[in-house]
Amino acid sequence: GAVVSQHPSRVICKSGTSVKIECRSLDFQATTMFWYRQFPKQSLMLMATSNEGSKATYEQGVEKDKFLINHASLTLSTLTVTSAHPEDSSFYICSARPPGLAGDGTQYFGPGTRLLVL
Amino acid sequence: KNQVEQSPQSLIILEGKNCTLQCNYTVSPFSNLRWYKQDTGRGPVSLTIMTFSENTKSNGRYTATLDADTKQSSLHITASQLSDSASYICVVSANSNYQLIWGAGTKLIIKP
Repeated sequence: GAVVSQHPSRVICKSGTSVKIECRSLDFQATTMFWYRQFPKQSLMLMATSNEGSKATYEQGVEKDKFLINHASLTLSTLTVTSAHPEDSSFYICSARPPGLAGDGTQYFGPGTRLLVL
Repeated sequence: KNQVEQSPQSLIILEGKNCTLQCNYTVSPFSNLRWYKQDTGRGPVSLTIMTFSENTKSNGRYTATLDADTKQSSLHITASQLSDSASYICVVSANSNYQLIWGAGTKLIIKP
């Protein structure tokens, strides 16, 4: 149980285009999902917290107009990188919090999406 | 400031050997501490979780310890296998808002 999937697993795009990444909780409903970014040899950095049916909460320094997050259902959150540039190239990981386990910080992580912007 | 520091930054050992990874934290109020294993190009997978009152927790060949007084934790891997090659990340949860504070990780390489 507690499986989180991401699609696509890797994407290559041209500078200036937009890229959408999907995060799905496959066997549980997640009212809260998280989006992280990880640069080479660094740990995960939280970008935003996505709550179903409401606006996402972005961490300091993360541009909300550049990284659009939509959490339209209890099993799906999407991250759209708009007008992507080479510096947006990174490993994007989502996680989902199962209901009832918010108190101990439990999150289940997706396999990640490798984005390369040329 | 809430911080999690891990050492060493990287470690290379021979297959079959044991190793210990360290984690020091300054997080208050403390809720729990997790060790994650992250294979290259994959998302993190939880190995252990310990609350304030727990001193040790095992998961197969992985044994985590926690000293809440000194705010230190360790992850001991016994009889290492090639598949143990990965980054091991210490993550502390702050009780105030369930925020996760991430360490930078230790990159472990197991050589045959």
